[in-house]
Amino acid sequence: GQQLNQSPQSMFIQEGEDVSMNCTSSSIFNTWLWYKQEPGEGPVLLIALYKAGELTSNGRLTAQFGITRKDSFLNISASIPSDVGIYFCAGPHYNQGGKLIFGQGTELSVKP
Amino acid sequence: DTEVTQTPKHLVMGMTNKKSLKCEQHMGHRAMYWYKQKAKKPPELMFVYSYEKLSINESVPSRFSPECPNSSLLNLHLHALQPEDSALYLCASSQDAGNYGYTFGSGTRLTVV
Repeated sequence: GQQLNQSPQSMFIQEGEDVSMNCTSSSIFNTWLWYKQEPGEGPVLLIALYKAGELTSNGRLTAQFGITRKDSFLNISASIPSDVGIYFCAGPHYNQGGKLIFGQGTELSVKP
Repeated sequence: DTEVTQTPKHLVMGMTNKKSLKCEQHMGHRAMYWYKQKAKKPPELMFVYSYEKLSINESVPSRFSPECPNSSLLNLHLHALQPEDSALYLCASSQDAGNYGYTFGSGTRLTVV
């Protein structure tokens, strides 16, 4: 079945550093989504990508939809303590409308 | 209103109890979802409702029973749960089942004792 392989699993960084995480699959995805989940909360959509090659920014966040449609990355520039959380990539199941496949998540810790 | 509201926030129930989780949205979204999430793991889909009809049941045990009384409300009825069912239960909605920009609620933290 479709799977999303997300790396790294966890990151411990200093405030001000840049962060990069990625998601790969053996299957093609037509949409890539990046969510952030803070403790005690539900995931919040950060960026949605709909076209191969698309590069989209949301403040200090930048995400790209890979040309092969089998990968995506998320960069966070100049990290701050409130960036702490778990970041999930996600994409739609190829034939079950409404079903999202999630990556395993990248847990980010930021040291002030 | 751009929120999905879930109640209760926390629930402790015994294995013989019957309880219900509630989810409400007023964004006019026509697709609603239940996900189950264990600690530090990704959400796992349980059910999808599209235009108030159940469209996906991910082989969820019958002790979980979803209900969509109208386009704004989604319930999850719980009966005879097991301790391994303890998890965060997340509700989400989207404009329709082909739109993946979900809005998630904050979840109900369920503990089965």
